[in-house]
Amino acid sequence: QQQVKQSPQSLIVQKGGISIINCAYENTAFDYFPWYQQFPGKGPALLIAIRPDVSEKKEGRFTISFNKSAKQFSLHIMDSQPGDSATYFCAAQRQSNTGKLIFGQGTTLQVKP
Amino acid sequence: NAGVMQNPRHLVRRRGQEARLRCSPMKGHSHVYWYRQLPEEGLKFMVYLQKENIIDESGMPKERFSAEFPKEGPSILRIQQVVRGDSAAYFCASSTGDKGIQYFGAGTRLSVL
Repeated sequence: QQQVKQSPQSLIVQKGGISIINCAYENTAFDYFPWYQQFPGKGPALLIAIRPDVSEKKEGRFTISFNKSAKQFSLHIMDSQPGDSATYFCAAQRQSNTGKLIFGQGTTLQVKP
Repeated sequence: NAGVMQNPRHLVRRRGQEARLRCSPMKGHSHVYWYRQLPEEGLKFMVYLQKENIIDESGMPKERFSAEFPKEGPSILRIQQVVRGDSAAYFCASSTGDKGIQYFGAGTRLSVL
């Protein structure tokens, strides 16, 4: 019930292409879904987040699509750039609880020039 | 405004020794979360603390691990009698509350020889 499953494990995209990372969760009590970006040797940094009452959120080239009935959400990176090469983690949180984040396994994205 | 500070960045210990990991939260943050990242895996929640209180330790191993967040000073994650399986990156995150955005430090990479 506490799992968040993320796919794919790794992704290679050409510069200018669209990167898509998918996540699925089980616990319907989750009410906050952030995405974190992590560069090698660094800590995760919040990229974008969504709540389940919204089906889509866009910030610049980054968009989260959320499907509450399917218990799935995805990150789309438009016009992918080499600087986007990093590991991306989806997460889920039950803010009415202690606020701990349940992370997916991570996706390593490589954007080729 | 300094971010979340973790030290040391790298820590090498021999089996059986003690490891002490420190985390200074962002200014104004009184909530601290500890996560562990094993190689090629996502981050796993360990413990959530507020000043002088452990709120949620459901992710902490039952033995050898302890955490504190005193009234003054950094939060400490202590691992006694380390074993090779403790080798991982340990991340601390801080927030203004259990519903606040969690900001992560750069992590402490523990290697057990």
